[in-house]
Amino acid sequence: GIQVEQSPPDLILQEGANSTLRCNFSDSVNNLQWFHQNPWGQLINLFYIPSGTKQNGRLSATTVATERYSLLYISSSQTTDSGVYFCAVGLYNTDKLIFGTGTRLQVFP
Amino acid sequence: NAGVTQTPKFRVLKTGQSMTLLCAQDMNHEYMYWYRQDPGMGLRLIHYSVGEGTTAKGEVPDGYNVSRLKKQNFLLGLESAAPSQTSVYFCASSYLGDPNEQFFGPGTRLTVL
Repeated sequence: GIQVEQSPPDLILQEGANSTLRCNFSDSVNNLQWFHQNPWGQLINLFYIPSGTKQNGRLSATTVATERYSLLYISSSQTTDSGVYFCAVGLYNTDKLIFGTGTRLQVFP
Repeated sequence: NAGVTQTPKFRVLKTGQSMTLLCAQDMNHEYMYWYRQDPGMGLRLIHYSVGEGTTAKGEVPDGYNVSRLKKQNFLLGLESAAPSQTSVYFCASSYLGDPNEQFFGPGTRLTVL
């Protein structure tokens, strides 16, 4: 089956720093989502981005489907950005998402 | 508009007991899903439903059953709980036009002793 790998597995930042999270996938995908799981366990949709670039405030994401990767950029990080970031891919002709193992981000003041 | 809600939020069971987790959504979504999340891991699909009265197996279906009697509700049952089913369970839903854009509930933390 398809492999979805995220890097780095852990990231520690000081408030105000920028970061880039990466999601690699081993096969063609129909779409891709980025989620933030906050310290209380809630999963929050960040981006639905099968290709191209999207921005939402301090966050932006780029997916290059032909090269099988997606990047999530966090600028001017805040302590509230802490948590685990997951990418999940949807395959053609299926109704299911395959999740990566996540990147754990800790932002300190 | 509550989105996706899950009941209960926490539960502790003894080995061999049974229970049902309830997921409800008010977005009129056709698709609903149950996932489990184990420590340090991503989510794995247990069962899903593409419409009222339908269910299908996901990646890790053993030990679980599901029912979708109403479009807005998706039930996950554990007939005889085992310690290996200790996990956080998430429900999600999506609409027919784009089933892969899924929206998640807050999760249920289940401990089986």
